[in-house]
Amino acid sequence: GAGVSQTPSNKVTEKGKYVELRCDPISGHTALYWYRQSLGQGPEFLIYFQGTGAADDSGLPNDRFFAVRPEGSVSTLKIQRTERGDSAVYLCASSFRPWGTDTQYFGPGTRLTVL
Amino acid sequence: QQQVKQSPQSLIVQKGGISIINCAYENTAFDYFPWYQQFPGKGPALLIAIRPDVSEKKEGRFTISFNKSAKQFSLHIMDSQPGDSATYFCAASLSGGYQKVTFGIGTKLQVIP
Repeated sequence: GAGVSQTPSNKVTEKGKYVELRCDPISGHTALYWYRQSLGQGPEFLIYFQGTGAADDSGLPNDRFFAVRPEGSVSTLKIQRTERGDSAVYLCASSFRPWGTDTQYFGPGTRLTVL
Repeated sequence: QQQVKQSPQSLIVQKGGISIINCAYENTAFDYFPWYQQFPGKGPALLIAIRPDVSEKKEGRFTISFNKSAKQFSLHIMDSQPGDSATYFCAASLSGGYQKVTFGIGTKLQVIP
């Protein structure tokens, strides 16, 4: 694909349910980032993967949030026992290399609504 | 703790005018300052970026001015066009190590004909 893709584009769920959000990075990009963008705010860092490992998960708000990248490409963000406050757009970004000034390319995001 | 402060949050400019967005940062370790443009329903896209060793960088109609001593930087959009209507985010990160980007709150720019 030409860019970062995310599925689904929209997800509506009920409080307490489990959700999975998927990110397909640009082919060959080793670094993958997840951000959360609440309404009227800038994106906030959640987690960074270099290859298959989560090198920095300091932005995950609590232990209900978990992310994996088992083969170093596709990543899944998992949210357990969803709460209304989890409603936001979840953005994924990838870059060829993880450091310096390498451009991060963002996907269109998944809009999560928790009722 | 808002590490990158951005203003204004909204801006209306007439076509052909200059749009100016200002940002300030607190962490003096930041050494890479990108600006992102985001259209509705899309993810942010890198517009232009600057390192603190230069005071100005220009790309087409977009110019970043940087004041290291004041810990401030700004984006100027010259000859603003309706197609520039979008939300703009200033950001900061550390160029050494992985790029964990800290974003400002965003400025919604509307360019009216």
